[in-house]
Amino acid sequence: QKEVEQNSGPLSVPEGAIASLNCTYSDRGSQSFFWYRQYSGKSPELIMFIYSNGDKEDGRFTAQLNKASQYVSLLIRDSQPSDSATYLCAVSYTGGFKTIFGAGTRLFVKA
Amino acid sequence: DVKVTQSSRYLVKRTGEKVFLECVQDMDHENMFWYRQDPGLGLRLIYFSYDVKMKEKGDIPEGYSVSREKKERFSLILESASTNQTSMYLCASRQSSYNEQFFGPGTRLTVL
Repeated sequence: QKEVEQNSGPLSVPEGAIASLNCTYSDRGSQSFFWYRQYSGKSPELIMFIYSNGDKEDGRFTAQLNKASQYVSLLIRDSQPSDSATYLCAVSYTGGFKTIFGAGTRLFVKA
Repeated sequence: DVKVTQSSRYLVKRTGEKVFLECVQDMDHENMFWYRQDPGLGLRLIYFSYDVKMKEKGDIPEGYSVSREKKERFSLILESASTNQTSMYLCASRQSSYNEQFFGPGTRLTVL
């Protein structure tokens, strides 16, 4: 069974620090990797996606993918209180219809 | 601007009632999904549809059915609502497995 694992947290960082969120997945057939942010009571919204090994940067966010080690991470630089949310890691598979979501990591950014 | 809409934000029903949750997307996406989300359990897939009139069971289909008569609309049906179906229901759509899913705002269903 395909699995996506995340540390449930909560992860607490001070304002201005780097928050590092990690995710591991079980199936080497994985092709697409996504990070979603979900505020309490709201639906998930896409933050980043990554398909290839290496880093992908978008503003304060960097996604890192290492297919050999089967992990994907999200770095948030200069963390702000507004970044406080649950972050979901998601993985799609070649030829598959389902996207597998991790249970999410709760992030608190302290002002 | 992409958009997924759901028929209700909040819904209260009684045990045994038949409940319809509607989802509409305006992006011409092929795939549509219904999830429920409960504290500590994350997102759980109920059903998905990869094309019009096509549907596949997800991880927790028991007590639910779906309908996709048109490409833009995917309905979730609770045949006889029970209290353990009280949850947040999220609809999502995407173009293909390479692409991200876009979520609707969610329907918080309470079954009394």
